[in-house]
Amino acid sequence: ELKVEQNPLFLSMQEGKNYTIYCNYSTTSDRLYWYRQDPGKSLESLFVLLSNGAVKQEGRLMASLDTKARLSTLHITAAVHDLSATYFCASYAGKSTFGDGTTLTVKP
Amino acid sequence: DTEVTQTPKHLVMGMTNKKSLKCEQHMGHRAMYWYKQKAKKPPELMFVYSYEKLSINESVPSRFSPECPNSSLLNLHLHALQPEDSALYLCASSQDAGRTGTYGYTFGSGTRLTVV
Repeated sequence: ELKVEQNPLFLSMQEGKNYTIYCNYSTTSDRLYWYRQDPGKSLESLFVLLSNGAVKQEGRLMASLDTKARLSTLHITAAVHDLSATYFCASYAGKSTFGDGTTLTVKP
Repeated sequence: DTEVTQTPKHLVMGMTNKKSLKCEQHMGHRAMYWYKQKAKKPPELMFVYSYEKLSINESVPSRFSPECPNSSLLNLHLHALQPEDSALYLCASSQDAGRTGTYGYTFGSGTRLTVV
C-alpha cells in the first residue's frame, strides 16, 4: 500500500524567508501532484510532476521530483502572506494517495 | 469551461433522510471521482468512475451510492447516514483515470454535509 508522508505538518514563516516542504512516498509511483487548499475551500492543482528530475515553477513556488529517492519537494522563495494555506502532495500508483498536508502560515 | 460544479454547496440532513449530491463537468474528462474530507485531514478517495463505469470503490459503506448517468455527470446518493459522515464531499475529474494531463485533477468546490 502506497504511503505518503509530508513534513513539516505545520510551518510558520516570516515574509521574505525561504523554506522547503518535503513529500516522501513509499512505493514506485507514476506521478506526483501538489495542491493548495485555503480554509473552507476546495483543492487547487499547483503542479503535476511526471518524471525523475522534473522541476516546475510558478511564481514563488518550485516543485521537484526525485523518483529514485521517492521524494518531492515544494520550495517557497521569499514567502508572502498570500501563500498561507495548506499544501498537499499526492502520489499516484493506480489511484492518488494524499499526504497529511502542510499548513503554512506566513507572518509579516 | 474549466470547472467542476457541485451542488448543493451545503446540506443538512437527518439520519433517516435520502439526499443526493450532484457533480457536473464539461471539460470532456472521462474520469470522475468522489472524495471525502474531514476537517484538517487529507481527502480520502471514495469512488472512481472511468468512462462511466465504476472502477474503484474504496470499501465505502452502502449508505453511499454513486451513479454516473453520462460522461459529464456524477451523483452521490445518500441514505441513512450517520453523524460521523459529516464532512466536505469533493468531486474531481481528470482526462481519464490513467492520465491527468498537465493540470492534475480538477476539483469542484465541494458540498459541506452535516448529518444530524
